[in-house]
Amino acid sequence: SQQGEEDPQALSIQEGENATMNCSYKTSINNLQWYRQNSGRGLVHLILIRSNEREKHSGRLRVTLDTSKKSSSLLITASRAADTASYFCATEDSWGKLQFGAGTQVVVTP
Amino acid sequence: GAGVSQSPSNKVTEKGKDVELRCDPISGHTALYWYRQSLGQGLEFLIYFQGNSAPDKSGLPSDRFSAERTGGSVSTLTIQRTQQEDSAVYLCASSLWGGVGDTQYFGPGTRLTVL
Repeated sequence: SQQGEEDPQALSIQEGENATMNCSYKTSINNLQWYRQNSGRGLVHLILIRSNEREKHSGRLRVTLDTSKKSSSLLITASRAADTASYFCATEDSWGKLQFGAGTQVVVTP
Repeated sequence: GAGVSQSPSNKVTEKGKDVELRCDPISGHTALYWYRQSLGQGLEFLIYFQGNSAPDKSGLPSDRFSAERTGGSVSTLTIQRTQQEDSAVYLCASSLWGGVGDTQYFGPGTRLTVL
């Protein structure tokens, strides 16, 4: 079963706009990670946020984590066509195993 | 350096046949993971190898699935008597030590189609 659930399932925006997607999970976590997947193949690690962190930035990415609500959000600012991809959150258990959500499919049109 | 590689990139097989999928992790990475991704879905954990420890097989969906990792490096995922529901992209990942907070690096995957 999947630990995380992303919302929305799909998102269509224009270049320059911001994209926000959310992830909710069920059980306690050590860390939460976000990955990007292009064309249904390999995943690329974007950012890791630890359970004692509330916000983290990496370039145009901003991730928040609210452990009391068991939720996280990923914000992509000033989106580009190259940001078109599926984005997955993954929660990490005590042994480092990741459980992925079903993903948010983002389409950025020029 | 080279990333995680997987072969073949695509595999089409007939129902009932056995298939072997290969994963070459990043050199020096002690942890290796196999995941399965069905169409439009997230990744489903299958199996995890860490160093010389016994593998965590808790995600394998049936006894038709098995995996081994030889010499702490290359791994092979074997599916026996394939079924149509086995059709998916099989992704392999490796990480440096496999513990909490370690980053997993993914290969491009093998797309398996069972006719």
